[in-house]
Parts: sequence; structure tokens; C-alpha cells
Amino acid sequence: NAGVMQNPRHLVRRRGQEARLRCSPMKGHSHVYWYRQLPEEGLKFMVYLQKENIIDESGMPKERFSAEFPKEGPSILRIQQVVRGDSAAYFCASSPIQGLNTEAFFGQGTRLTVV
Amino acid sequence: DQQVKQNSPSLSVQEGRISILNCDYTNSMFDYFLWYKKYPAEGPTFLISISSIKDKNEDGRFTVFLNKSAKHLSLHIVPSQPGDSAVYFCAAADTGTYKYIFGTGTRLKVLA
Repeated sequence: NAGVMQNPRHLVRRRGQEARLRCSPMKGHSHVYWYRQLPEEGLKFMVYLQKENIIDESGMPKERFSAEFPKEGPSILRIQQVVRGDSAAYFCASSPIQGLNTEAFFGQGTRLTVV
Repeated sequence: DQQVKQNSPSLSVQEGRISILNCDYTNSMFDYFLWYKKYPAEGPTFLISISSIKDKNEDGRFTVFLNKSAKHLSLHIVPSQPGDSAVYFCAAADTGTYKYIFGTGTRLKVLA
């Protein structure tokens, strides 16, 4: 059973470009979470999605950031017009079901560098 | 506001001794708590969890204690091993929302 797969592992973008980060949850998992880790900081919640639904996006910056989890395919975190401050490690996690005590499983992350 | 706090950014412990990592939370709606371990350039891996209906959960060398009245949890590692050296994150969840909130992490270094 493959774990949570994130790609790319490393992404370099120039200021003003778009960054697309992909996350394939574990098989059978229908809940996806995105977190951001800035240098020397902890994991900050960004967004929680189920298939075709955004459940909680309270941690997402209001502009330039968007996330989706379509019926088919991976979850995508999209950052438009990237700035240097977007440089961080972005982690995706998945869990099987809401409402039960269960842990979320993390991918290895995408390290975004904006130059 | 920081709903989950790990006030010690780092901790050094001698091999074979006990490591105690602490975590405080502010939101009384949190009812499920987890500890994750993270190595550099890797994603966090789940270590151990505890439901708010318990005050202790043990798994091998790892024990998590929960004090609901103090809104405090701790992770005990006994005996500590050099391979335990990593960053440890505590997380809390409200099972109504299932948004996991993480602390800022404690870097544990186990000295051989």
C-alpha cells in the first residue's frame, strides 16, 4: 500500500510564476490536508479537503493560493504569482475517515524555492 | 494565536535516559492528540496518539500522558536511543472538524 505521494519533491520558481504542488493520498483515504513549514517554524495548517469539497481553508492566504481535490486525480495546491516569502516546505497528509480517532499520514513534502 | 504550544525548541538527553517532551494547548474542544516524529527532508511520521477519554497511552518505549485539566500532554521516551534524534511535533484535533493543529516542534538530540 503506497503512502502519501507528493510531487515534485523540489520545485524552483521565479518570482511571478505559478507553482503547482500535487498530492496523491493513500489508497482508501478521502481526506487531504495541506500544511506549510516555513524555515525554523512548525507545521501551519492551510486547508482541509474532501473529494470535490473544501471543508476548511481558514489557513490559506486570501490571495494567490488555491486548492482542489477533484473526483479523479491528485489534490493540487496552486500558488499564483509566487513571491520569495512563499519559499517553504509544503506537506500533504491524508486520513481515511472523519469522525473517528485516526492519525493523518504525511507525504515527504515539496520544497518550494522562489528565486 | 498559537493553540498548540511546544515551549522547548530543543532538548538534549543522554542515551539510555528518559526524554520528556511537553506540549500545551488552549482549545478545550480538542479531544484527540498525536505525536509525530520528523527527520530532515522527510515528512512527519506518526508516533503515538491519545484520546481525551484516556490519560495515558503506551506503545513500547513511547508513552503519552494527557492532563486535561491542565491542558497539557507529554511524550516520554524510555530508554532514549540515538535514532530517536529528530524533531517531535505534537498535534491536536477536534473530532468535530478534524483539523489537526500542530505545535512548532521540539528538536530532540540523544547523545551516545
